Amino acid sequence: GAGVSQSPRYKVAKRGQDVALRCDPISGHVSLFWYQQALGQGPEFLTYFQNEAQLDKSGLPSDRFFAERPEGSVSTLKIQRTQQEDSAVYLCASSLGEQFFGPGTRLTVL
Amino acid sequence: GQNIDQPTEMTATEGAIVQINCTYQTSGFNGLFWYQQHAGEAPTFLSYNVLDGLEEKGRFSSFLSRSKGYSYLLLKELQMKDSASYLCAVRATSGTYKYIFGTGTRLKVLA
Repeated sequence: GAGVSQSPRYKVAKRGQDVALRCDPISGHVSLFWYQQALGQGPEFLTYFQNEAQLDKSGLPSDRFFAERPEGSVSTLKIQRTQQEDSAVYLCASSLGEQFFGPGTRLTVL
Repeated sequence: GQNIDQPTEMTATEGAIVQINCTYQTSGFNGLFWYQQHAGEAPTFLSYNVLDGLEEKGRFSSFLSRSKGYSYLLLKELQMKDSASYLCAVRATSGTYKYIFGTGTRLKVLA
């Protein structure tokens, strides 16, 4: 595709619900990153994939967060039993060198 | 620990020059990046420095001093559309290419 796409763009969840956020990277980009961005803050690293391998998941805030990229292309970030503190914009970026960011998914947990 | 510091807010006048500073302390270093982020939008890449010195790209320039853990982004001939947040990010190499972002500098350009 022309750029990184993410869906949904907006998600409202009730506390305790599970959510799944999708990222379609730029075709051919080996590296894929997930970030969490709170209002007025910079992106915080969550996890990194090289093809299908999750090489770094040190930024995932708890075991409620899980990411996968089974075929080395599309990635899904899943959050189980959402909490209010999970409310943020979740950014995906893909890279062959510099990172290209998707538009993000704004998650609001009520 | 890993830390990136940049000013929270800056204000400048249309047509002027502004310098946004960034200092960093990270466990590894494999490049420093500047991104522009308009409100409600994704960050977009502006510049990349891996060696000491100045990189110029049109109205934007970025400088790096690895020994001082210091970078700046210089914006010339400011335009109203330059009002945005500017994010400094370091690519660390602790096993993988982990990017660490600062909190961003919100720049307001006034007419």
